[in-house]
Amino acid sequence: QVQLQESGPGLVKPSETLSLTCAVSGYSISSGYYWGWIRQPPGKGLEWIGSIYHSGSTYYNPSLKSRVTISVDTSKNQFSLKLSSVTAADTAVYYCARSAARNRFDLWGRGTLVTVSS
Amino acid sequence: QSALTQPASVSGSPGQSITISCTGTSSDVGSYNLVSWYQQHPGKAPKLMIYEVSKRPSGVSNRFSGSKSGNTASLTISGLQAEDEADYYCCSYAGSSAVVFGGGTKLTVL
Repeated sequence: QVQLQESGPGLVKPSETLSLTCAVSGYSISSGYYWGWIRQPPGKGLEWIGSIYHSGSTYYNPSLKSRVTISVDTSKNQFSLKLSSVTAADTAVYYCARSAARNRFDLWGRGTLVTVSS
Repeated sequence: QSALTQPASVSGSPGQSITISCTGTSSDVGSYNLVSWYQQHPGKAPKLMIYEVSKRPSGVSNRFSGSKSGNTASLTISGLQAEDEADYYCCSYAGSSAVVFGGGTKLTVL
């Protein structure tokens, strides 16, 4: 059974870098699929942040591209998100997800709330 | 890249059918048969209900169906049940490896 689990600090200060990791169990990341990050501000809708192909190719939301880095660590079977220069507007539940194609997110983590506040 | 447009809310009685629309542009919904739909219950992660406009993942009830015409995609739920009450999001490939979600629709089962 494939599972995804997000981890990282729940509180980040403004202007700092948000860093999250998604641990994948039951499947080897290097074997295939896209692996992505999606966020949801409290009471609002979903926003795609970006995805990484198992080969390492990355794809980012144009509106966040200048601040986002997604990477994969095959040795630990996990992938990561870094979002720099955060503001209160980046406060959200962050989900990691697997997708068989561009927008076919068929498996999701439970999500982790990240609050940006001093 | 703007969010796809969905109605804020829809409602229906048990047993009825409802349809949720998702309007994009010729750059996203209108150009690709890559529209997916997600169901999200409060406090839970989204669940894939439809992909590639009208395909259902294994385990998803056939009461859920999808379609597309021009720049607008639709999700239809027939035989409405209490457990269908949730938020629903559409999602489209937008070219250049980008993905865009809709603003979400709250479904209330009366």
